Amino acid sequence: KNEVEQSPQNLTAQEGEFITINCSYSVGISALHWLQQHPGGGIVSLFMLSSGKKKHGRLIATINIQEKHSSLHITASHPRDSAVYICAVGYGNKLVFGAGTILRVKS
Amino acid sequence: GAVVSQHPSWVICKSGTSVKIECRSLDFQATTMFWYRQFPKQSLMLMATSNEGSKATYEQGVEKDKFLINHASLTLSTLTVTSAHPEDSSFYICSATGGRTEAFFGQGTRLTVV
Repeated sequence: KNEVEQSPQNLTAQEGEFITINCSYSVGISALHWLQQHPGGGIVSLFMLSSGKKKHGRLIATINIQEKHSSLHITASHPRDSAVYICAVGYGNKLVFGAGTILRVKS
Repeated sequence: GAVVSQHPSWVICKSGTSVKIECRSLDFQATTMFWYRQFPKQSLMLMATSNEGSKATYEQGVEKDKFLINHASLTLSTLTVTSAHPEDSSFYICSATGGRTEAFFGQGTRLTVV
């Protein structure tokens, strides 16, 4: 069974700060997803990656397959980035989800 | 990116009634759809996996007679909560894949049973 650990569980940042959320998993995967869930509940897929690094706007996601670790970075954070960020790893045709990181960015 | 539409976004129903939630892939053929349930302040819990044209595979502990899943076409899967009870109140969300590893999520449905 694949275990997915996310840290931190809660994160409060000041607007403009650089933010890092970490994700570790226990067995080999086909892909890793970073998801964003806003208070209304809807989920948006931010990244899917299986190696290296991806960037989209102020968001950067990296993955180290050997270390079974991924990070999500937010540069120049903004209050609208406040949400729950979820790491999910894919193996077989299923996803296993981390518990999520609750991010609050204060202005 | 691909779009998955889930409907309704919220529903309130009386105990004992049934509620149907739809999940549609709008611009791709979803060979596999997943249904999740999310309790407050918890992560998503996989309920079942459905492949078009075949019976859904339910996770351990999920009652298949209570949570009926139909995946009749490559663009539509439905979850019916039968004889709903207050403990069924939750946030339900679907995701769909078109055979690749990328998953696309619906907006979710908040069910309240009174």
